[in-house]
Amino acid sequence: QKEVEQNSGPLSVPEGAIASLNCTYSDRGSQSFFWYRQYSGKSPELIMSIYSNGDKEDGRFTAQLNKASQYVSLLIRDSQPSDSATYLCAVNTGNQFYFGTGTSLTVIP
Amino acid sequence: EPEVTQTPSHQVTQMGQEVILRCVPISNHLYFYWYRQILGQKVEFLVSFYNNEISEKSEIFDDQFSVERPDGSNFTLKIRSTKLEDSAMYFCASSEASQRYNEQFFGPGTRLTVL
Repeated sequence: QKEVEQNSGPLSVPEGAIASLNCTYSDRGSQSFFWYRQYSGKSPELIMSIYSNGDKEDGRFTAQLNKASQYVSLLIRDSQPSDSATYLCAVNTGNQFYFGTGTSLTVIP
Repeated sequence: EPEVTQTPSHQVTQMGQEVILRCVPISNHLYFYWYRQILGQKVEFLVSFYNNEISEKSEIFDDQFSVERPDGSNFTLKIRSTKLEDSAMYFCASSEASQRYNEQFFGPGTRLTVL
């Protein structure tokens, strides 16, 4: 059973702080990794993709991938109340796509 | 900005009936997907579709389900003989590149309620 694990939270951070979200996956053959944001009652919205070890930055977001540790993370700098949502980690393994249960983030003004 | 669209936004049906959920993927995308999300649970992969055929399907996607691209723009999911447990949000997604490194963009979803 291929698994994607996330801490369900809730994670609360003050406005302006860094939010750190983590994800582990079970299949070493996984090839591509994605972070999505999902507001309540809405569809997943793509934030970042990452395919190779290291960091990838896009604006206030940084994705980090460590394939040896089977670990993916997302850092959100200068967190804003509008960042309050559930963050989903998704992993592409063998042409199927597996999502974690998501981490609920609340940014407190 | 191009986006994936889905209709209807909400579908209510009686147990045992057939439903068809419709999606219009982003126009230059080649890969299409269906996912479902039962309330409070994670997003689950159902099927991927490329070049007019299924390229991958999950264990959930059994004989009750079928997909079709009836014309150049629409992508449909048919659920036959619906069950109470089919109640969920169904999301369509599409991607431009190959499955290995793709970025998938999701539609707004169809909420299916089976009574």
